[in-house]
Amino acid sequence: QVQLQESGPGLVKPSQTLSLTCTVSGGSISSGSYYWSWIRQPAGKGLEWIGRIYTSGSTNYNPSLKSRVTISVDTSKNQFSLKLSSVTAADTAVYYCARMGGIADYAMDVWGQGTTVTVSS
Amino acid sequence: SYELTQPPSVSVSPGQTASITCSGDKLGDKYACWYQQKAGQSPVLVIYQDSKRPSGIPERFSGSNSGNTATLTISGTQAMDEADYYCQAWDSSTVVFGTGTKVTVL
Repeated sequence: QVQLQESGPGLVKPSQTLSLTCTVSGGSISSGSYYWSWIRQPAGKGLEWIGRIYTSGSTNYNPSLKSRVTISVDTSKNQFSLKLSSVTAADTAVYYCARMGGIADYAMDVWGQGTTVTVSS
Repeated sequence: SYELTQPPSVSVSPGQTASITCSGDKLGDKYACWYQQKAGQSPVLVIYQDSKRPSGIPERFSGSNSGNTATLTISGTQAMDEADYYCQAWDSSTVVFGTGTKVTVL
């Protein structure tokens, strides 16, 4: 059974780059027709999709974040990563990674537990 | 950009039926899915491709999608169903989430 685990700094200074990694266990990140997504949720607010990547490297990003986001994949480590540049307090949120595709099509059927990132000096 | 609108809250008595709507322009032409998120937990997929249930999701969860509205129905609602629910669709190569609905089981 595939599991996802986010990791990375819990505190990032304003104007710096937020970097998170999602490790896939229980299966290969390259197997099946899956995309790998990042989603975030500010405290007390709704879900916001950040973007996704296929193991070929093909990406799709939320237009509202596209200028600051880079998602990459490392198949040798069974990981994919998020970089969000020029962060502000508005980027403070719980960040989730998730699997998308397969029989679930455009839905996300496996989620990580989430990691809290605070942007503060 | 594409928007999905949900009612902020829905209240239901135990054993009764809860219906949560998700409205978007021509949403019926796209696939809709639904997530349940309990307090302090990650979202869980409960419906995909409008009406399909992932393995392990109880039969009391069902979905439909037509016209401009997708609907998640919880039949025989239980106290454990109290949570936030989000709809989601795919539009113009992006994931769009609904605004979210808090379901309270009174």
